[in-house]
Amino acid sequence: NAGVTQTPKFQVLKTGQSMTLQCAQDMNHNSMYWYRQDPGMGLRLIYYSASEGTTDKGEVPNGYNVSRLNKREFSLRLESAAPSQTSVYFCASSGRQGGLPNYGYTFGSGTRLTVV
Amino acid sequence: GNSVTQMEGPVTLSEEAFLTINCTYTATGYPSLFWYVQYPGEGLQLLLKATKADDKGSNKGFEATYRKETTSFHLEKGSVQVSDSAVYFCALSDLDRSGGSNYKLTFGKGTLLTVNP
Repeated sequence: NAGVTQTPKFQVLKTGQSMTLQCAQDMNHNSMYWYRQDPGMGLRLIYYSASEGTTDKGEVPNGYNVSRLNKREFSLRLESAAPSQTSVYFCASSGRQGGLPNYGYTFGSGTRLTVV
Repeated sequence: GNSVTQMEGPVTLSEEAFLTINCTYTATGYPSLFWYVQYPGEGLQLLLKATKADDKGSNKGFEATYRKETTSFHLEKGSVQVSDSAVYFCALSDLDRSGGSNYKLTFGKGTLLTVNP
């Protein structure tokens, strides 16, 4: 089925370890996003990529890096994980349908990350 | 900057009850407004949207009307079902009106709805 695929679904890290969260979309969308979801905080934007070859910081970028590998893939890297990065991470994409902006983001099913 | 304020939950209702989840916004531009739904263990799904004042978005029995004068976009459903139990997020975007596909959504904190049989 078409959509946004995130891997892994679950991960436990020790403080100081690094890891990369993978995201791929098969809808030919130009824009991709990484959010984190924390209880009582809603979703907060970490980084986004308006188009292939560009990335920009969102609301909470500290401690993260991203790579827009190609039009399909947008990865999120934690270089030195901290307990404060325990969260659920969502990747999303947006594009155009029929020549018009598609107003709806398509979200992946999330990665539950615990840093101990 | 942009912000979204929605009623805090949790909200617990009996099946067939009337639902209202309040949402108000602050925006510098002329935003589009959205409701997203998140079922347990899943990502967010677009529930409905409205792109200009007085527009009514509707889907699956849910409705919300874009009220520019009160900067509100309240979600309503006349008769909820157990299957409507989920977290509901109000969101806004400042659309790239040059025709681009990039825009950033600003989300409220979410409202957990539990519907009991």
